[in-house]
Amino acid sequence: DGGITQSPKYLFRKEGQNVTLSCEQNLNHDAMYWYRQDPGQGLRLIYYSQIVNDFQKGDIAEGYSVSREKKESFPLTVTSAQKNPTAFYLCASSIAGGSGELFFGEGSRLTVL
Amino acid sequence: SQQGEEDPQALSIQEGENATMNCSYKTSINNLQWYRQNSGRGLVHLILIRSNEREKHSGRLRVTLDTSKKSSSLLITASRAADTASYFCATDEKAAGNKLTFGGGTRVLVKP
Repeated sequence: DGGITQSPKYLFRKEGQNVTLSCEQNLNHDAMYWYRQDPGQGLRLIYYSQIVNDFQKGDIAEGYSVSREKKESFPLTVTSAQKNPTAFYLCASSIAGGSGELFFGEGSRLTVL
Repeated sequence: SQQGEEDPQALSIQEGENATMNCSYKTSINNLQWYRQNSGRGLVHLILIRSNEREKHSGRLRVTLDTSKKSSSLLITASRAADTASYFCATDEKAAGNKLTFGGGTRVLVKP
């Protein structure tokens, strides 16, 4: 079955540590996205990539970094510079361009201790 | 920045009743989409309506779009307990490039 896999589902981090969230898709989609969701809130765009080896900052990119070395993979690193990293992180993909339907993973919940 | 704003923020209804939620946005769009999210899960796409369309149906869902008022509505008819979820609108702004902007969502509780 095609889809998007995010791991880990739950992650705990001490302050000052970097953590990397994995996102893999086998839908052959060109575009991939990372969103952050805080409790009771909507989604805010962190980074997006429309093609391999290229990515753009979203609305809240500070304290995050990404890479897009393979079409299938778009990992997100939450760095120690991110002041309030506790949140639910969602990865998504789309065929191209981002104006069409997004397919989401099941999310990764990061808690900073 | 948040483009879409849903109203109401929360909605509680009895099974069998209809649920209506609204989304307002600020700038010109190419299309508007509605998504559903069960608690602690990823979002699932429900329906996409283009800026030149006024109404669209999918099963028990009916979506309208009024570009003159910059608003959309999602109607769920004959609701079921399984419809309990949060519903989000997302807009593809013409000026924002190829990315969607999500609203804050409407939390719907359908009581059996």
